[in-house]
Amino acid sequence: GAVVSQHPSRVICKSGTSVKIECRSLDFQATTMFWYRQFPKQSLMLMATSNEGSKATYEQGVEKDKFLINHASLTLSTLTVTSAHPEDSSFYICSARKQGGPDTQYFGPGTRLTVL
Amino acid sequence: GENVEQHPSTLSVQEGDSAVIKCTYSDSASNYFPWYKQELGKGPQLIIDIRSNVGEKKDQRIAVTLNKTAKHFSLHITETQPEDSAVYFCAASSNDYKLSFGAGTTVTVRA
Repeated sequence: GAVVSQHPSRVICKSGTSVKIECRSLDFQATTMFWYRQFPKQSLMLMATSNEGSKATYEQGVEKDKFLINHASLTLSTLTVTSAHPEDSSFYICSARKQGGPDTQYFGPGTRLTVL
Repeated sequence: GENVEQHPSTLSVQEGDSAVIKCTYSDSASNYFPWYKQELGKGPQLIIDIRSNVGEKKDQRIAVTLNKTAKHFSLHITETQPEDSAVYFCAASSNDYKLSFGAGTTVTVRA
């Protein structure tokens, strides 16, 4: 199998606070994890690529100081939304690629962030 | 960068009929084409994928075809069932493993 989990599944926070989202590969080691953002009725937009032990690579237009990514182990990547504002409210989804495996990405269940 | 276009945006079919979703891509270096199914409030689920060295792949009621010359690929679902109702996304990537997604197709299977 290839199971990816995310925690929390949903979070509501006040404007100005920071929120951390965890992404874990449960039954495989993931060299690379990806973070996506999805607005209602829209497609997935890649935010950043997270490689174990190195700095994340951010897509154009994504603020690296606002969306902090840490990939400390082969099974865990975290996304921290710093100083969250209502416009950061979205569905955040991670995916993982197996270490040494093909380019198949396995997605987590997503985290619904609501900033009041 | 890669640009993936997906059509139609919505598709309504009678149970038992077939559904076809088509995608085109712009980057000739793309070599991996997965299809994902997403149900409301959940993450995308990989349903089938195809690589550039293959023209067609089938898995039970689902098949995908790829035309590299024309840069388009299609998803075919036969004998549709109500549980096939969901949003379907096509995607493309090259050797950097980054997926570029189509806009999605909302499929509704009428009982």
